[in-house]
Amino acid sequence: DIQMTQSPSSLSAFVGDKVTITCRASQGIVNHLAWFQQKPGKAPKSLIYDVSTLHSGVPSKFSGSASGTDFILTITSLQPEDFATYYCQQYHNYPLTFGGGTKLEMK
Amino acid sequence: EVQLVESGGGLVQPGGSLRLSCVVSGFSFSDHYMDWVRQAPGKGLEWLGRTRNRTKSYRTEYAASVGGRFTISRDDSTYSLYLQMNSLKPEDTAIYYCSRASVGSDGHFFFHYWGQGTPVTVSS
Repeated sequence: DIQMTQSPSSLSAFVGDKVTITCRASQGIVNHLAWFQQKPGKAPKSLIYDVSTLHSGVPSKFSGSASGTDFILTITSLQPEDFATYYCQQYHNYPLTFGGGTKLEMK
Repeated sequence: EVQLVESGGGLVQPGGSLRLSCVVSGFSFSDHYMDWVRQAPGKGLEWLGRTRNRTKSYRTEYAASVGGRFTISRDDSTYSLYLQMNSLKPEDTAIYYCSRASVGSDGHFFFHYWGQGTPVTVSS
């Protein structure tokens, strides 16, 4: 199984800050990497697929990038609605696997 | 508008069975791969399984944690996806989500749309 190691597990930031979340795959997954946002009591929301392609309606403050088996989600100009938990996920091989999540909290 | 609505969750005793449903609208159901994902209380997301579309003969894939106990099926005529869960254990307690997949640039399928989830509690 492909393990997805996400870091940090939690992160505190101010409104207006820029943050990055990293996800490392245990083996090569080409570009088959997605990012999701989840708020308490809500279903996940799809943000990005194929490493860097934003879903329709997702603001450009969100961006994704990769370097080898390391994948990065960057969020700029944080607003109150951005504070949530973020998950990465690989869809290269079965079983499909998620990272452990990063809880982004407001300072 | 794409919509996915899960139902069928509830309280069940250990060893019992439950069948979850996901009714969809706003897209051609038979064309799409569909997934089930769950989230235990306070935990992360866990993929459970996938059913492919009609073109791919509805072939299924499962996570090892539920293979043999859980079965995914679909009824394209009613735009419905199902998750039959047998031999339930307390650790199966979770919110269960259905998701519609979409195809990426090179033919791999990613989660796209999500339902609101249905809660399942396994307890005596």
